[in-house]
Amino acid sequence: ETGVTQSPTHLIKTRGQQVTLRCSSQSGHNTVSWYQQALGQGPQFIFQYYREEENGRGNFPPRFSGLQFPNYSSELNVNALELDDSALYLCASTQGSAYEQYFGPGTRLTVT
Amino acid sequence: AQRVTQPEKLLSVFKGAPVELKCNYSYSGSPELFWYVQYSRQRLQLLLRHISRESIKGFTADLNKGETSFHLKKPFAQEEDSAMYYCALSEVRGSNYKLTFGKGTLLTVNP
Repeated sequence: ETGVTQSPTHLIKTRGQQVTLRCSSQSGHNTVSWYQQALGQGPQFIFQYYREEENGRGNFPPRFSGLQFPNYSSELNVNALELDDSALYLCASTQGSAYEQYFGPGTRLTVT
Repeated sequence: AQRVTQPEKLLSVFKGAPVELKCNYSYSGSPELFWYVQYSRQRLQLLLRHISRESIKGFTADLNKGETSFHLKKPFAQEEDSAMYYCALSEVRGSNYKLTFGKGTLLTVNP
């Protein structure tokens, strides 16, 4: 069984740029959630995808968008990057409405 | 809106001492609560869920709806328990399991 993987591990971008982060779900999982974890904070829910459709969203602006592909892998896109977008971005997968979410190692994004 | 509060950022105990990590929540519905743990250089993982009422690695947590608390306890701490602990509340809408996390407590167990 393959765990959740994320790429890249680290990323440095300039304010105003756009970024795409990628996540591969754990084998057999069809639901992916994305979280933002700022330094010293707990993870904060961005949105969730279930069978390629957005299935819930947290308090994040529209410049945060996502996609889920037929193989259940997922992308998080952030446009017009701001300094406050600097954080660890976590992806978590689960099977349907199962309660346990399996987290990836995260992508550390730094915006300068 | 739901909220999870972990009042202690840092907690340090000696090996063999009891440990309690506090968690309070606010939620208008019927909450589902979890504890997640992150060991050094490892990813975030589920420790326990209140519904299952299990003891995992010697840890237990009881949901107290009157006090809106879900404190994590272990009678005798071990050095390998040193980690970051997050309390989380789940809001379930249809098939959407959205987790709201607290800010976390860093537990250090000293030899």
